[in-house]
Amino acid sequence: SAVISQKPSRDICQRGTSLTIQCQVDSQVTMMFWYRQQPGQSLTLIATANQGSEATYESGFVIDKFPISRPNLTFSTLTVSNMSPEDSSIYLCSVDGTSGDEQYFGPGTRLTVT
Amino acid sequence: LAKTTQPISMDSYEGQEVNITCSHNNIATNDYITWYQQFPSQGPRFIIQGYKTKVTNEVASLFIPADRKSSTLSLPRFSLSDTAVYYCLVGDALSNYQLIWGAGTKLIIKP
Repeated sequence: SAVISQKPSRDICQRGTSLTIQCQVDSQVTMMFWYRQQPGQSLTLIATANQGSEATYESGFVIDKFPISRPNLTFSTLTVSNMSPEDSSIYLCSVDGTSGDEQYFGPGTRLTVT
Repeated sequence: LAKTTQPISMDSYEGQEVNITCSHNNIATNDYITWYQQFPSQGPRFIIQGYKTKVTNEVASLFIPADRKSSTLSLPRFSLSDTAVYYCLVGDALSNYQLIWGAGTKLIIKP
């Protein structure tokens, strides 16, 4: 299984600012996914990032608000732009497994917007 | 994508076998069934995956009946360290990854 790290692990940000979350994998992977998880809730997919192409966003999420970069097969970033308190959540990145169906997750980034 | 239904919570005594059942009535022919475990303040962790019948690994067993409309995750000896939320997902990586997460089952220990 892949080892995934995220930076920062947590942050407190002011309304109207932006935060970029980094996701680093210890091996090359095809697909990377970004999720949001509000406290006590399940995971909601934000977008799928395939290296070399534009990210694919789920309904309710737009590129202007959550721009994603995927410069190579081991790294991706998610930016939360123009933040509001409603963006307070845990943001998780994941990668596809070797068999293709399972996912491996990073530890998450806990974001609080004041 | 097939929708899954699980109990919101379950409790068990330490040392007992725990079985969590997930319903997925609309599962497609190519869909696999995957279970994840999530501890507080951590990302979900892959536990086990199967297509039909029974799969066993060092952590758990997964039982899937012939009609595949449900699956049961079995933890052989529940311990305090197993207290977590367990998610069941179905999907086919060839056409769509398992990206729709249900509410999960919160498994807690009985006092």
